[in-house]
Amino acid sequence: LAKTTQPISMDSYEGQEVNITCSHNNIATNDYITWYQQFPSQGPRFIIQGYKTKVTNEVASLFIPADRKSSTLSLPRVSLSDTAVYYCLVGDPFIGGQNFVFGPGTRLSVLP
Amino acid sequence: DADVTQTPRNRITKTGKRIMLECSQTKGHDRMYWYRQDPGLGLQLIYYSFDVKDINKGEISDGYSVSRQAQAKFSLSLESAIPNQTALYFCATSDPQGLNEQFFGPGTRLTVL
Repeated sequence: LAKTTQPISMDSYEGQEVNITCSHNNIATNDYITWYQQFPSQGPRFIIQGYKTKVTNEVASLFIPADRKSSTLSLPRVSLSDTAVYYCLVGDPFIGGQNFVFGPGTRLSVLP
Repeated sequence: DADVTQTPRNRITKTGKRIMLECSQTKGHDRMYWYRQDPGLGLQLIYYSFDVKDINKGEISDGYSVSRQAQAKFSLSLESAIPNQTALYFCATSDPQGLNEQFFGPGTRLTVL
């Protein structure tokens, strides 16, 4: 299983762009990088998934360098409602199961 | 209506009691999962099922059992509850045909006294 490392916590202010980096040095060829968001007392919610280069959707962007040993989730112009825990997962989504592991995540606090 | 539902939402029980947590989904997904989350920590996979006749252990299956009664239903049982099983339990589903993103239920808060 690919192990991931991400900061335990981050602070930001409303309106700023937030970048959360995840390290995954032993990522395998078939592995994808997936990010989830979790609000207190709720289940995680899928944000974005990518394999290489850059992926963008209406919520966030995901930047993946050529060596794929790290990835960066970018949240543009955060608001107070973006305060949550963000999880980086690396694994083969088509195998699933134990292939995906939710670590402790990054606790993002957005301040007014 | 919610796509993934869990019952009960909250449960307080005593040590040694048998507890069943139920999960139902209307998303038509084959894959279902049970996770537990302790305060301030990530999610740990307990069991997962890729089809009605498929059951697989996750990283922390000891003390738990599951039943996949139908495509839409996946139940988690604690045969003899103990206090360190006090946690938030989440059920999730996924569809491997797409991104295999997981859709989570609202969670069940279980307290074992």
